[in-house]
Amino acid sequence: DTAVSQTPKYLVTQMGNDKSIKCEQNLGHDTMYWYKQDSKKFLKIMFSYNNKELIINETVPNRFSPKSPDKAHLNLHINSLELGDSAVYFCASSQDQLGEKLFFGSGTQLSVL
Amino acid sequence: QKEVEQDPGPLSVPEGAIVSLNCTYSNSAFQYFMWYRQYSRKGPELLMYTYSSGNKEDGRFTAQVDKSSKYISLFIRDSQPSDSATYLCAVSGSARQLTFGSGTQLTVLP
Repeated sequence: DTAVSQTPKYLVTQMGNDKSIKCEQNLGHDTMYWYKQDSKKFLKIMFSYNNKELIINETVPNRFSPKSPDKAHLNLHINSLELGDSAVYFCASSQDQLGEKLFFGSGTQLSVL
Repeated sequence: QKEVEQDPGPLSVPEGAIVSLNCTYSNSAFQYFMWYRQYSRKGPELLMYTYSSGNKEDGRFTAQVDKSSKYISLFIRDSQPSDSATYLCAVSGSARQLTFGSGTQLTVLP
């Protein structure tokens, strides 16, 4: 069983569209995250949720809106996609808010044309 | 200056070689040091976790932290083709929020 699963794996879309990425973890963890990895492999945190509550919200355009319906799910909705949003987006989870021992999903490759 | 600097490589070694991967960081407040391994088209996975200075060994892997120099290393002994991946160092402080290096791409040739 996949511990942290995210869908879709690939997302190709036009500028200006709205898209969502879904994430689910079956590890029973309390905290979930969204990370963005750019073309140079630089990985940067975007959001962190603990038990459905937003804990960390880094400097991310408000076109990005995370939603956590329950502690096992954290979705990412992106409005008005821009070329610069092209990246790999990773969902992750950790047992507590000590966000060092992370379990990552396989990533969603987003390409904005 | 980036908070964490890591040589991107790529680094290519023959099977069986000892590999040394390194990062430097700028903030002396960092206390937690990690290495993540990322295979192509996969998410990173935690390889090593250390707190404060010193060495930690796990099988063929040794993580070393020198807080006085703000330098962290990962050594891989008897490297195998299956070790071919990108290795990301990461640090955190009291806020317990990770800052990643940009990764070193390693290829171990059979």
